[in-house]
Amino acid sequence: KNEVEQSPQNLTAQEGEFITINCSYSVGISALHWLQQHPGGGIVSLFMLSSGKKKHGRLIATINIQEKHSSLHITASHPRDSAVYICAVGGEKLTFGTGTRLTIIP
Amino acid sequence: DTEVTQTPKHLVMGMTNKKSLKCEQHMGHRAMYWYKQKAKKPPELMFVYSYEKLSINESVPSRFSPECPNSSLLNLHLHALQPEDSALYLCASSQGHGGSTDTQYFGPGTRLTVL
Repeated sequence: KNEVEQSPQNLTAQEGEFITINCSYSVGISALHWLQQHPGGGIVSLFMLSSGKKKHGRLIATINIQEKHSSLHITASHPRDSAVYICAVGGEKLTFGTGTRLTIIP
Repeated sequence: DTEVTQTPKHLVMGMTNKKSLKCEQHMGHRAMYWYKQKAKKPPELMFVYSYEKLSINESVPSRFSPECPNSSLLNLHLHALQPEDSALYLCASSQGHGGSTDTQYFGPGTRLTVL
């Protein structure tokens, strides 16, 4: 079974700061997913990555397949970015990381 | 339409009640999922339907009964639940090819409280 670890578990930052969330996994994969969950809410799929880098607005996701590592970056962070960010690997049966709780203070 | 809808948003039920959760998608996806999520934990997979057939049951107690009437709809029938079943129940759908690139789209969830 793939073990998926995220760091940090909790992150508090000031508005405008550059944010980095890391995800490592133990078994080689074809793709990794980054998800966002606001408090009490459903989950939004942010990125599906097979290689390299993807960018959507202020969010950037990178993956290094050889090192089994992915990062999610948020530039110019804003309080509305406050959420739990989860990485996940797999197909039908996703293995989820434990999540990173991000709080952006105005 | 890239939305998965779930009803109701909130549900409070007693241990002797029977209720149902509903999930709907109109993206032409052929795989649909039920997850259970406790506070501050990642989602736990319960069931997967692929092409309207139950393909995965993660040893879920029989008090949870899934149903897939057609490719757009997924129900979860609840009966004789326990207080520890209180959680956020999430539905998701995907194209259904089963590979690791098969992105799942999640609904907003139903917050279930069992008294």
